Amino acid sequence: GDSVTQMEGPVTLSEEAFLTINCTYTATGYPSLFWYVQYPGEGLQLLLKATKADDKGSNKGFEATYRKETTSFHLEKGSVQVSDSAVYFCALSDRQGGSEKLVFGKGMKLTVNP
Amino acid sequence: EAGVTQFPSHSVIEKGQTVTLRCDPISGHDNLYWYRRVMGKEIKFLLHFVKESKQDESGMPNNRFLAERTGGTYSTLKVQPAELEDSGVYFCASSQVRQGEQYFGPGTRLTVT
Repeated sequence: GDSVTQMEGPVTLSEEAFLTINCTYTATGYPSLFWYVQYPGEGLQLLLKATKADDKGSNKGFEATYRKETTSFHLEKGSVQVSDSAVYFCALSDRQGGSEKLVFGKGMKLTVNP
Repeated sequence: EAGVTQFPSHSVIEKGQTVTLRCDPISGHDNLYWYRRVMGKEIKFLLHFVKESKQDESGMPNNRFLAERTGGTYSTLKVQPAELEDSGVYFCASSQVRQGEQYFGPGTRLTVT
């Protein structure tokens, strides 16, 4: 079945550091790919998405590019802030298979220190 | 506009007891999803409602779990009887259209002792 593998952490960075969170996937069809973020005490929020190969999703300074050849969707940010401290989840939805469910990775907790 | 709400935020029960979780989706969202995150593992899909009908319940772990959505508004997820392995965070999400963005609630943390 479909699956997502991502860096698990936890990771602690200093403010203004560069962030990369690796994510690879396995899917039978042509999935859409997502990054969700969960801030402390809140629900998951969609951070960015990409629906086809070579698409780049971006939001709040974060970027991720859908790489079909490497089945990857790595999340990057050039300069993290304390407010980026959260848990980050990579996910896919293989909608061509008819399912609407999201398949998630295990999540990675990021702490950014001032 | 209010987001997805879930009640309670925390629940601690003993093995063998019954617990009912509630989810109120965003008003007007016909699609409602339940997910669960067991400690240290992935968030896993449980089921999907379209209005009051179960569209996909392939993720429900066993018959101790019963989900309902009477009237196509709020949904409940009952666990009866609860087992230790049911502990985790239960998330609810809703979307306005099929295959649309899913908006998540804050989750209910269930602890079975």
